[in-house]
Amino acid sequence: GQQLNQSPQSMFIQEGEDVSMNCTSSSIFNTWLWYKQDPGEGPVLLIALYKAGELTSNGRLTAQFGITRKDSFLNISASIPSDVGIYFCAGQNRDDKIIFGKGTRLHILP
Amino acid sequence: NAGVTQTPKFQVLKTGQSMTLQCAQDMNHEYMSWYRQDPGMGLRLIHYSVGAGITDQGEVPNGYNVSRSTTEDFPLRLLSAAPSQTSVYFCASSEDRGLTEAFFGQGTRLTVV
Repeated sequence: GQQLNQSPQSMFIQEGEDVSMNCTSSSIFNTWLWYKQDPGEGPVLLIALYKAGELTSNGRLTAQFGITRKDSFLNISASIPSDVGIYFCAGQNRDDKIIFGKGTRLHILP
Repeated sequence: NAGVTQTPKFQVLKTGQSMTLQCAQDMNHEYMSWYRQDPGMGLRLIHYSVGAGITDQGEVPNGYNVSRSTTEDFPLRLLSAAPSQTSVYFCASSEDRGLTEAFFGQGTRLTVV
């Protein structure tokens, strides 16, 4: 079946640094979604992308829907301690099925 | 403003036992779904429902049953628990089939021994 390759699996960064993570697939998706999950909580939607090439920002977060519709990236600028968590990408294909990536675990070093 | 409420938050079962994980939403959403989250596996869709009386299988439906008698409730039943069903289970709801404005519950951590 369709798979999403999300990278990196984990990141250790200093507070204030910028962060970049991405998802790629061999299949086309119609919608890309980025979620954040805090410990003990369910995922929370950060950004939704609906058109190829779309670039959308939400505060310090910026995400883009790749032109080929097979990839997406998420950038976080000037990271702060509350950015710690697991970030998931998800793609919705033409059958409306949602496929999740395996997540990027973000750690911020003091 | 409760959103999506899952109960229980934690559960330990013996192999072969059955149980029901509860999910309720108060947003009048038509679309509800159940996911399981395993380490390094992301979220995998178990079952979903596009409205009361309608359910369908997701990616990993074996060993689970669902029903949707009301818009608000979408319980997940484990018929005969197995250690492979040890996982964290999330219920989600949204206005439509896409997850674009989905709300997730806090999860149920299930251990089968």
